[in-house]
Parts: sequence; C-alpha cells; structure tokens
Amino acid sequence: DTEVTQTPKHLVMGMTNKKSLKCEQHMGHRAMYWYKQKAKKPPELMFVYSYEKLSINESVPSRFSPECPNSSLLNLHLHALQPEDSALYLCASSQGRGGREKHGYTFGSGTRLTVV
Amino acid sequence: TQLLEQSPQFLSIQEGENLTVYCNSSSVFSSLQWYRQEPGEGPVLLVTVVTGGEVKKLKRLTFQFGDARKDSSLHITAAQTGDTGLYLCAGPKGAGGTSYGKLTFGQGTILTVHP
Repeated sequence: DTEVTQTPKHLVMGMTNKKSLKCEQHMGHRAMYWYKQKAKKPPELMFVYSYEKLSINESVPSRFSPECPNSSLLNLHLHALQPEDSALYLCASSQGRGGREKHGYTFGSGTRLTVV
Repeated sequence: TQLLEQSPQFLSIQEGENLTVYCNSSSVFSSLQWYRQEPGEGPVLLVTVVTGGEVKKLKRLTFQFGDARKDSSLHITAAQTGDTGLYLCAGPKGAGGTSYGKLTFGQGTILTVHP
C-alpha cells in the first residue's frame, strides 16, 4: 500500500462550523505533514509530525488544530475559519530522518475546502 | 534562507515541442526532487536527484542535478497533452538534519501542452 488517503475530498463549511480533515497512510512512514495550497501556487507547510509528535508549527492560526492519534493517522480540526482559508489541504508522509529527505514525500489527493 | 527559484512560471507549447524547466538556488542542497501535480490532485514525485552532475531519465523526461548541487533542470522531449500540469521542484530545508523532513518548494511551472 503506497497511498496517502484523505477524506473528505470536498468540504464546504460555514464560518461557525467545526469540521475535521482526515489523513491515513500504511507505508510505515514516521513523518506526516499538513500543507495548504492555493490555486496555481506551491504547497505551503502548516505542520510536521515526526514519530507522532508535533515537531513544526509554521505559525498557523489556532483555528487550525492538528492531531496525530497514531503513526498511521493525522487529523486537522477546523473551527471558526475565514473565507480566505479556502484552499486545497494536502496531507503527505515521508520516511524522513533528519533533513536529508532523499525519498520524497507521498502526497494525498487533498481536501478541497470552501469556507462560506 | 534556502530559496528555490523556478522558471519559467508559465509555459504554453504545442504537442511535439521540447521544453526545459529550471530550478536554481544560491544554496547547496543535499538532494532535489521534482513533482508533477494535476488539477484537483496532490503532487506526485517524479524523481529525486542526490549526486552532483547526476542525470536521470524517465521516458521522455530528463532530470539533471548541477555539479555544485545548487540547481536542477527538467527537460521534456516531444511534449504530449498528458504532460500538462504544475511542475514543482523541492529540496530539504536546513542543513545537518536540523529541519526534519521540511521541504522548500519552488514557485512552480504551469505547463500547458496544446494538441
């Protein structure tokens, strides 16, 4: 199994809603990531989990809350989002050890989020 | 700060033409990766280059890593409509393992191949 699975594929939510994005991988990767991507732009890193611990938070607003229940799962809890948060949210995983990421990331297909 | 400058930003060509995308930096990278992304999908890893001067081929795609490991190029021969997409170069951020698995992405090249 060489996939990263993200659900849902599409999500429309109001600014007062609470929702969660889910990500799952069974490749034994020990690093997992959340990225945000606007149209025709590169992905922007939000969070990095390594060995199920949050290792990097790229100054993301607290309305985004990550959670890593186990080595295969990564969630992103959303609350009180703004319309400008509408984007494609990508989950990725990697074997990763230190900064020498030779093996690349495996990305999921993303969740297309629209905040109304 | 390790930055990757990718060019061109947009490329619109006819089927059958050749093209080259460049990824340049003033910093040395231990490796560089190339991804291709189609609309509504996540990026898919095409190749990782790790040795200065390395050339890798993937069917009609040729990837090169500069001798000094500061730049890379992607050359596509006889482009097809199926090559259309966003091409991204990326490299590990930070030296000596201080930035665990953190990638720096170039700004991307949007390639459109017309029939």
